[in-house]
Amino acid sequence: AQSVTQPDIHITVSEGASLELRCNYSYGATPYLFWYVQSPGQGLQLLLKYFSGDTLVQGIKGFEAEFKRSQSSFNLRKPSVHWSDAAEYFCAVGSYGATNKLIFGTGTLLAVQP
Amino acid sequence: NAGVTQTPKFQVLKTGQSMTLQCAQDMNHEYMSWYRQDPGMGLRLIHYSVGAGITDQGEVPNGYNVSRSTTEDFPLRLLSAAPSQTSVYFCASSYRGGKNTEAFFGQGTRLTVV
Repeated sequence: AQSVTQPDIHITVSEGASLELRCNYSYGATPYLFWYVQSPGQGLQLLLKYFSGDTLVQGIKGFEAEFKRSQSSFNLRKPSVHWSDAAEYFCAVGSYGATNKLIFGTGTLLAVQP
Repeated sequence: NAGVTQTPKFQVLKTGQSMTLQCAQDMNHEYMSWYRQDPGMGLRLIHYSVGAGITDQGEVPNGYNVSRSTTEDFPLRLLSAAPSQTSVYFCASSYRGGKNTEAFFGQGTRLTVV
């Protein structure tokens, strides 16, 4: 079955600390991977995406993610978290040319302590 | 360029009522989709479309109808609202194919069925 797992429902980090959000996927075809962020009451904003090439991808707001095919993972990282990063983060997978049929994880809610 | 516009932003329905959630995009995207977001479940695909006149069911289509008469619009109809349809609904659009494509999301419609 095709699925995305985000094992951490809720994470709290201190401002300035590093962050890693985990994402594992199960997908039959070559995966096309995304990380989205959702602020309270808002829609989803794309942070970054990966289809092929360099397995370390850079996104907006200082985020990066690393694709590891052997581990079926696409973890999101940020070296130094800002209070404005507090939001919910979603990992999603689709296939090439099928961004209308994304499979989402259940999300990770990030809280940032001052 | 407004992107993806959803109306209304909030709606309260009584059980058994019908309504249409509107979605419009001005990016000339071929693909459009509807998702629902429920706590702890991420986003789940309801229906999607690959172009005008072509729609298909996603993971959770029961109780919803869609049609796509134009490239720009993709309305979602609730035929007889049930409390289980209380959710936040997101519309998304994207270009067909290509490795640089991504899904753009609207701001969501928060629906409560009482």
